[in-house]
Amino acid sequence: DTEVTQTPKHLVMGMTNKKSLKCEQHMGHRAMYWYKQKAKKPPELMFVYSYEKLSINESVPSRFSPECPNSSLLNLHLHALQPEDSALYLCASSPPGTGERYGYTFGSGTRLTVV
Amino acid sequence: TQLLEQSPQFLSIQEGENLTVYCNSSSVFSSLQWYRQEPGEGPVLLVTVVTGGEVKKLKRLTFQFGDARKDSSLHITAAQPGDTGLYLCAGAETGGFKTIFGAGTRLFVKA
Repeated sequence: DTEVTQTPKHLVMGMTNKKSLKCEQHMGHRAMYWYKQKAKKPPELMFVYSYEKLSINESVPSRFSPECPNSSLLNLHLHALQPEDSALYLCASSPPGTGERYGYTFGSGTRLTVV
Repeated sequence: TQLLEQSPQFLSIQEGENLTVYCNSSSVFSSLQWYRQEPGEGPVLLVTVVTGGEVKKLKRLTFQFGDARKDSSLHITAAQPGDTGLYLCAGAETGGFKTIFGAGTRLFVKA
């Protein structure tokens, strides 16, 4: 299995809603990442987990809350988002310490629209 | 912060033509990756180049890393409509733990 699976593929949520994005991989990768990609822009790093521990938070607002319950799963909990948070949210994985140098396996993303 | 500049930003060509996409920086990168992203999908890793001057081929795609590890190019021979997509270069910061993405080149190949 060489895939990163993200659910849901599309999500529309109101500014008062609470929702979660899910990401799963079974490649044995111990580093997992959340990226945000706005239209016509490159991906921007949000969070990095290494061995299920948060290692990098790129000054992301607290309305985004990541969670890594085990080595295969990565969640992103969303609460009180703003319309400008609408974007494609990408999960990625790699062997620990190698993604930056050798590349990532990305999921197909969750297209989030905040209304 | 290290930056990667890609050119051109947009390219529309006929099937069968050749093209080159460039990724440039004033900074040295320890490695560089190329991804292709289709609309509504995540980026797919095409290649990683690590050594200055390195050339890698993937069917009709040829990737080169500059001798000084500051730039890279992607050459596509006899482009096909299936090559349509956003091509992103991404570099590993030297001495850092971040990936720097270029803004991308949007390629459209007309049949």
